[in-house]
Parts: sequence; structure tokens; C-alpha cells
Amino acid sequence: KAGVTQTPRYLIKTRGQQVTLSCSPISGHRSVSWYQQTPGQGLQFLFEYFSETQRNKGNFPGRFSGRQFSNSRSEMNVSTLELGDSALYLCASSLGSFDNSPLHFGNGTRLTVT
Amino acid sequence: DQQVKQNSPSLSVQEGRISILNCDYTNSMFDYFLWYKKYPAEGPTFLISISSIKDKNEDGRFTVFLNKSAKHLSLHIVPSQPGDSAVYFCAASRMDSNYQLIWGAGTKLIIKP
Repeated sequence: KAGVTQTPRYLIKTRGQQVTLSCSPISGHRSVSWYQQTPGQGLQFLFEYFSETQRNKGNFPGRFSGRQFSNSRSEMNVSTLELGDSALYLCASSLGSFDNSPLHFGNGTRLTVT
Repeated sequence: DQQVKQNSPSLSVQEGRISILNCDYTNSMFDYFLWYKKYPAEGPTFLISISSIKDKNEDGRFTVFLNKSAKHLSLHIVPSQPGDSAVYFCAASRMDSNYQLIWGAGTKLIIKP
């Protein structure tokens, strides 16, 4: 079974630009979550989608948005990029049936904002 | 307000000995706890979990202990192997929040040969 796939692996953008990251979950998984990882900060939860609906949202500004498609694939968009948005963005999928099924992570997209 | 804290940024252990990674939490409503392991340039992988109705869960070389009164959990790895060198994240969730995970900052474990 293929794992969670995130594209692209690396991205360099300039302040003020916008970026879209993509995530393909494991087949059969309906929940997709997004996390931001910065050094020393652990994983900060961005949002979670289940069946094309945002089910949970973390404490990030509105510049961070996402969506999920009918095939469970998800995209995350960050507008008006700031230097502080430089981070590793991780996507995770799970069955999503409210039963604490473990998250399966992709290898992340490393975003650098200059 | 960090609800899940891993106070040791790094830990160095001799190969073959026991590694003990610690995690503290502040929210008594958390009812499910997980440990994930992360290698550089890879996403975290699930290691072991424990529900608040238990105080211990074991899986091979990995054991997680939960002390609810102290709001503390620990991960024991015995014996430690070189491949265990990684960053370990503790995470907690609440059933009434759709199991949204709250993560610690991670502990980097280094196994010395």
C-alpha cells in the first residue's frame, strides 16, 4: 500500500508570494491533517479535513487555508508569505473514524521563504 | 501555553542500555497518548499509544507508562539500539475534541555504540 505522498519536497518562495502544497493520503483514508514543524516547536496543528469538510482548526492566521477533494487528496495554501512561514509542512492521513486510529505522515514539504 | 511538554531536548544513551523519554501534560482532559519517532527528512512514524484507562502498554522493546495523578508519561526502550537514534514526539488528545493531537517539542535520542 502506498504511503502518504507530499509534493513538492522542497520549495523556495519570496515574501509576499503564495504557495500551494499537495498531499495524497493512503488509499481508504478519509482524514487528512496538516502540521507545521519548526525547530524547537514540535508539530503545530494547522487543520484537519474529513470528507471534504474542515473538522478541526488550529491557531493559525487566515493566510493558511486548505481544502480536501472528493478523492481525499488535500491541498494547503499559504498566501502573503512571511519569513516566519519557513518550516517543514507535514501532512498526515488516517481512517478518521473518531477512534484514535494512528496518523500516517508523509515526508513533508520543506518551505523556505526568502 | 504548552499543554504537552518534553523538557529534555536531547538524550544520549549507551547501546544496549535502557532509554527513558519523558513527557508531561497539563490538561487533565487528555485521554489518549501517543509516541511518534522521526528520522531526519522523513515524517513521524507511529510507535506506541496508551489510553487513560491503562497505566502501561508494551510492544516489543517499547513500553509506555502513564501516571495520571502526576500527568506524566514515559517511553522506555530496552535494549536501546543504534537504529533508535531519532527524535521522539509525545502527543495527547481528547475524545471530545475529535482526537485532535497536541504535540510536545520532541526529544532527540542519540544511541552511542
